[in-house]
Amino acid sequence: GAVVSQHPSWVICKSGTSVKIECRSLDFQATTMFWYRQFPKQSLMLMATSNEGSKATYEQGVEKDKFLINHASLTLSTLTVTSAHPEDSSFYICTTGDGYEQYFGPGTRLTVT
Amino acid sequence: GQNIDQPTEMTATEGAIVQINCTYQTSGFNGLFWYQQHAGEAPTFLSYNVLDGLEEKGRFSSFLSRSKGYSYLLLKELQMKDSASYLCAVLSGGSYIPTFGRGTSLIVHP
Repeated sequence: GAVVSQHPSWVICKSGTSVKIECRSLDFQATTMFWYRQFPKQSLMLMATSNEGSKATYEQGVEKDKFLINHASLTLSTLTVTSAHPEDSSFYICTTGDGYEQYFGPGTRLTVT
Repeated sequence: GQNIDQPTEMTATEGAIVQINCTYQTSGFNGLFWYQQHAGEAPTFLSYNVLDGLEEKGRFSSFLSRSKGYSYLLLKELQMKDSASYLCAVLSGGSYIPTFGRGTSLIVHP
């Protein structure tokens, strides 16, 4: 399967600052990438679908102006959490798919203090 | 919408067998995944069922009954390293994006 990397693996930031998370598909042309968020002991919740060269599609309840997604190439999608607040502290995971198979990045643990 | 239900937590003894159930209610069912997720890590793929029946893969097996909206993951010869969260995820409505259940935290003790 494809190899997907994320950077950073963990980050601590102060409330009000912005954080950028990178998701790279190392050996797969990812026209579409998906961003999930997972709170402790909760399910993975789809936040948005990132499409190469076009605007992302956000799930209901996810603020597009707060969670900025850029997918400028077939190997890189970025998620920027703007004006982060403690309630944004979560585990963020990107995935890309090949048909029904999903390839997961290792995740980024964000803690906002 | 979709409703996916699985137990929150289960415990089992090393060397034993454990069955983790998942029930779902959805329209246009297209398949069901099981993933294993260790704390602080991304999920890893275990199985994909789209037809009824049992799929066996080493110590892990997955069963699906579409008419009952029911699946289970069977883990045999449990090892301590099997302690993890097990996520049931469903594809439906023509989408290739799975919807995940909350996961079942499995604790294996000596």
